[in-house]
Parts: sequence; C-alpha cells; structure tokens
Amino acid sequence: EPEVTQTPSHQVTQMGQEVILRCVPISNHLYFYWYRQILGQKVEFLVSFYNNEISEKSEIFDDQFSVERPDGSNFTLKIRSTKLEDSAMYFCAGMLRGTDTQYFGPGTRLTVL
Amino acid sequence: ILNVEQSPQSLHVQEGDSTNFTCSFPSSNFYALHWYRWETAKSPEALFVMTLNGDEKKKGRISATLNTKEGYSYLYIKGSQPEDSATYLCAFMANDYKLSFGAGTTVTVRA
Repeated sequence: EPEVTQTPSHQVTQMGQEVILRCVPISNHLYFYWYRQILGQKVEFLVSFYNNEISEKSEIFDDQFSVERPDGSNFTLKIRSTKLEDSAMYFCAGMLRGTDTQYFGPGTRLTVL
Repeated sequence: ILNVEQSPQSLHVQEGDSTNFTCSFPSSNFYALHWYRWETAKSPEALFVMTLNGDEKKKGRISATLNTKEGYSYLYIKGSQPEDSATYLCAFMANDYKLSFGAGTTVTVRA
C-alpha cells in the first residue's frame, strides 16, 4: 500500500540555521499539507498547497516558512532562520481530489538548540 | 482557533474489555470529523471520515458515531487487544479542508 514518507526522521540544528524538511506524498494526491506538534500540545495546521501554490496558511506560517513542490514528487517545508520555538514534530499529509481523507507521513522531529 | 476537545486524556483497559471515549467539536461550519490512530514513531493512520449527522462507521472492532447537531463523536473499541494501544486523535474539518485536532486519547491495553 502506498505511503507518505518524510526525511529526515530527526533533525537537530542550531538556532538561526536554515532547515529543509522533505516529504514524498502518495503519487496521485493533489492537495498537500504541513502540520506540526509542539511537545505536549495539539497537532496544528501550518499550510495547505494545491496546484503549485499555497491555498491557506496559519498565523504560525510567517515569512520564515516556505513550501515548495520542486519536481512533482517531493514536497518541502523550509524554515529560513530557525528559532527555539520551532522545535516540534512536523507532519506532511496529502489528499486525493474528491476524497476527504488526509494521509500522513511519520513526521520529522526538529530540535533547535 | 477551533476548540476540539477529547476526553479522557488517557485510559487503561484490561485486555478483552470494551471502552469508549469522546471528541467534542464546534457544531458550526462542520464539514467532516476524522478519527486517526497514532502509534509512536509511525504515521497517524486514518480510521474514519464522518460527514453525516447520525453516521456510524465500523472497522473491525473499532466503531464511531457522530452527532453534528450537538457537536460530539464517540469512538468505541470492543474487546480491546494489546495492539489497540495507541493515541486516538479526532480532527474537525471545516469547509476549508484544514484539520483542527484534539489533544488525543491515549489508550493502553493491559494483557
């Protein structure tokens, strides 16, 4: 059964550094999402992406964040200058057109020191 | 910020016993209610997507009901097994297709 993959599984970085989190969604999915979960808190929406552009973004998704689907298979989340409070588990998800189920990857744990 | 609440936060169940827990969500702008099963270090697994008031869905020993008018959903596990140990997340989907998650109910099944 096809699945969503994310790399790396754990990323440790210094404050102020740029990080790129990578996701490979299921191949026929058209809608893509990033969510994150700060330790001890709820999973929260960051951004949705469709037809090569951002559909919606939350207040968290400020100018330090960007998303890209560079080659039709990868879906990336970039954080330009990481802050301590960016430490969280980041999940990507994809959805097929005409369905309502979002399929999640296993997450990337980002630790900012 | 949408208020999606789950209770209890955690529960311990003896193997073979049945259990249930709740998710409450806003009754306005409702589009769908999702249930996910999440084991540590794995992807959250989609269990159910429920859209209609009164909906009941079943997958093996797990079932769910939906009341959109009063804004709640129940998840039931019948005859719990150790492999049912996981965190169960509910998520409210409004017309914008964004998911707003509850904090989850962590189920531990004791053999």
